[in-house]
Amino acid sequence: DGGITQSPKYLFRKEGQNVTLSCEQNLNHDAMYWYRQDPGQGLRLIYYSQIVNDFQKGDIAEGYSVSREKKESFPLTVTSAQKNPTAFYLCASRDSLNPNQPQHFGDGTRLSIL
Amino acid sequence: AQSVTQPDIHITVSEGASLELRCNYSYGATPYLFWYVQSPGQGLQLLLKYFSGDTLVQGIKGFEAEFKRSQSSFNLRKPSVHWSDAAEYFCAVGARGSGGYQKVTFGTGTKLQVIP
Repeated sequence: DGGITQSPKYLFRKEGQNVTLSCEQNLNHDAMYWYRQDPGQGLRLIYYSQIVNDFQKGDIAEGYSVSREKKESFPLTVTSAQKNPTAFYLCASRDSLNPNQPQHFGDGTRLSIL
Repeated sequence: AQSVTQPDIHITVSEGASLELRCNYSYGATPYLFWYVQSPGQGLQLLLKYFSGDTLVQGIKGFEAEFKRSQSSFNLRKPSVHWSDAAEYFCAVGARGSGGYQKVTFGTGTKLQVIP
């Protein structure tokens, strides 16, 4: 079955540590997205990528970094500069060549501070 | 820039009763509109979408939504709620651009509780 796989499901970060969240899709989608979800705030866009080797900052990119070396992979690194990283992180993808296609979501990674 | 407002944070309905979740958007042209549902600890599942054409959109699980341009609304409805519908519902808007839409803005969500 095609879909989006996020790993790990739960992740713990120590102070001053960088952590990387994995997002892999086998839907052959061009566009990929990272969102942060906090209670009562909905989803906020961190970064998005429309093609390999290209990505753009979203609304809350500070303290995060991404790479897009392969079409199917879009890892998110939460750096030590992100002072409040505890949240639920969702990855999504979309077939951007078809304008009427929605975003598809993974099952998320919950990040907590130790 | 587009924005979305879901005015109801929590809604409680009895099983079998009808449901309407409100969504208002702000955007200068006809947007792409979506409703997603999220169960605790899970990702988002698409219920339905509006891109153009018929303003009454049918989705999965018996849901429908109506795009009303004059009211800038895209309310979600279901005639008879089931206990399994308890979840959080998100309305979202995408701005039109080349190749469709690129960025989607989400509302803050409405949590639905269903009582027997």
